[in-house]
Amino acid sequence: GAVVSQHPSRVICKSGTSVKIECRSLDFQATTMFWYRQFPKQSLMLMATSNEGSKATYEQGVEKDKFLINHASLTLSTLTVTSAHPEDSSFYICSARDRGRGELFFGEGSRLTVL
Amino acid sequence: AQKVTQAQTEISVVEKEDVTLDCVYETRDTTYYLFWYKQPPSGELVFLIRRNSFDEQNEISGRYSWNFQKSTSSFNFTITASQVVDSAVYFCALRVYNFNKFYFGSGTKLNVKP
Repeated sequence: GAVVSQHPSRVICKSGTSVKIECRSLDFQATTMFWYRQFPKQSLMLMATSNEGSKATYEQGVEKDKFLINHASLTLSTLTVTSAHPEDSSFYICSARDRGRGELFFGEGSRLTVL
Repeated sequence: AQKVTQAQTEISVVEKEDVTLDCVYETRDTTYYLFWYKQPPSGELVFLIRRNSFDEQNEISGRYSWNFQKSTSSFNFTITASQVVDSAVYFCALRVYNFNKFYFGSGTKLNVKP
């Protein structure tokens, strides 16, 4: 079964609203989580690295005020797309590093559609 | 800098044919990991294999096999006797030791027709 869970798996929202996506590690503690974005028929691009208890590290070109990341606990990181616009429509995937085993696991992904 | 290249954008085969998906990587690090993931239409990434840079042994798992050659910086993936359920996008990825960032290739879409 999935060891990293994302919620919601699909979300449709109106332009201008904010959307929060959760990424949970189900049976391990994750000091580090990662958020990826995947446009249709394209590869996964790392957006940011989320560290528990500290600020996220964003990749070049990713707007930190647009994509708010919070990693408040060892099992949960959230990505909030603020004031979403149609160009933010994408597939967002998180991954989490198991602190104990050192392995990385991917979530099932969340498909965001902004109307 | 790290880079993964999957030159094949899309491949179509007929069921039961063998198919090889190519992956070429670039890195200056001596210790790294290579991965293959399958992404079905539902979107989730399904882990297939991980190899570390010191283990060049080829691996076979059922109908899947992987050919890792450091001399050519390639990590190719072969599916023998392909099935319709193998239809998906396949990603090759690189991660350098002690860093958690994945570098993904652009993916190869495999269409297996009955």
